[in-house]
Amino acid sequence: EAQVTQNPRYLITVTGKKLTVTCSQNMNHEYMSWYRQDPGLGLRQIYYSMNVEVTDKGDVPEGYKVSRKEKRNFPLILESPSPNQTSLYFCASSLGTSGYNEQFFGPGTRLTVL
Amino acid sequence: GENVEQHPSTLSVQEGDSAVIKCTYSDSASNYFPWYKQELGKRPQLIIDIRSNVGEKKDQRIAVTLNKTAKHFSLHITETQPEDSAVYFCASRVMIKAAGNKLTFGGGTRVLVKP
Repeated sequence: EAQVTQNPRYLITVTGKKLTVTCSQNMNHEYMSWYRQDPGLGLRQIYYSMNVEVTDKGDVPEGYKVSRKEKRNFPLILESPSPNQTSLYFCASSLGTSGYNEQFFGPGTRLTVL
Repeated sequence: GENVEQHPSTLSVQEGDSAVIKCTYSDSASNYFPWYKQELGKRPQLIIDIRSNVGEKKDQRIAVTLNKTAKHFSLHITETQPEDSAVYFCASRVMIKAAGNKLTFGGGTRVLVKP
């Protein structure tokens, strides 16, 4: 089944404890992206990747890192999480980096930073 | 950068009535406008989209209109049903090669269809 997967789905952690949220897609998509969803703010892009080893900042990149060593994986890293990073996170992917390509979303990761 | 405003933030309608959600965008270079539906506890899923060279698009009970001059687009749901209850997000994309498939989302509209 074609899909985007994320792990973990739920995570409660404490301030400063490094964590990684994994994202994987099996559709051979070039474009991958991370969003955070907060009430009233919609989905805001954190980082995106146009292809392997090609990543760039989105609208709210502070406090986050990403890597794209393989085409299928795009992990999100929080080196020193803070309470303002408590949010619902979505990974998404699309076939191409241009054109009218639908973005497919993962199931989401709800993160709480205490 | 691009800014997308979405209204209303909540919308309550009686089953069978129509629902309309409106969005405005700021960058006249935007050329693609998808709409996503997010059911409670689920991921956003594309329900309809429109390109900048088209003024209206329909798919069964949903339709989207685009007014490029005014820089706004709308989602219309007719004959609403309880399963239409969800959060709806509009989005726009500016065709900048360096940004790839970057979407800018509106703040979302929570739609409640009352039986």
